[in-house]
Amino acid sequence: GESVGLHLPTLSVQEGDNSIINCAYSNSASDYFIWYKQESGKGPQFIIDIRSNMDKRQGQRVTVLLNKTVKHLSLQIAATQPGDSAVYFCAATGKGGSYIPTFGRGTSLIVHP
Amino acid sequence: EAQVTQNPRYLITVTGKKLTVTCSQNMNHEYMSWYRQDPGLGLRQIYYSMNVEVTDKGDVPEGYKVSRKEKRNFPLILESPSPNQTSLYFCASSLNWWSTDTQYFGPGTRLTVL
Repeated sequence: GESVGLHLPTLSVQEGDNSIINCAYSNSASDYFIWYKQESGKGPQFIIDIRSNMDKRQGQRVTVLLNKTVKHLSLQIAATQPGDSAVYFCAATGKGGSYIPTFGRGTSLIVHP
Repeated sequence: EAQVTQNPRYLITVTGKKLTVTCSQNMNHEYMSWYRQDPGLGLRQIYYSMNVEVTDKGDVPEGYKVSRKEKRNFPLILESPSPNQTSLYFCASSLNWWSTDTQYFGPGTRLTVL
């Protein structure tokens, strides 16, 4: 079945640095990808999404890149701030008409002031 | 304020004692869903609902029931809870299933089944 995985469980950066969080998916039929942020003790929060007909999408301080050839997507956070400290995870859906998303396990981003 | 509310936030119960976790949203969203989150496994979808009276199974529906009698409410029912249902549960809603940018998650319900 589908699996979605993140490459690193923990990423430590300095405030002001750019952060890159990676995610790989297994099902080439997945056509919709979402990044979430989850702060400690809270529910997940939508950050940005991208459809398979796009390679790149930008939001406020965040950019998602999608490489369908190697089934990989990344989340780039510019000028990382202490408030960005959280667990980030990706999700893939839309495979074969299925509405059920598959979530990655998450990368914990730690931002040092 | 746009929000998804869940009750209770914390619950400790015993095996076999029926329980209901309520979920309510105030955004007139059509799509609602339930997830469980377990360490090392990530979120897994239990059930989802495209609209009133329309529900369907997610990845891990065994041992759970849902209902969608009204648009705003989507309760999760555990008829006979077992210890393997000990988990952190999240309810979410969005305008429709593809509008993830409108998605809101509730604060979570931590359930322990002894």
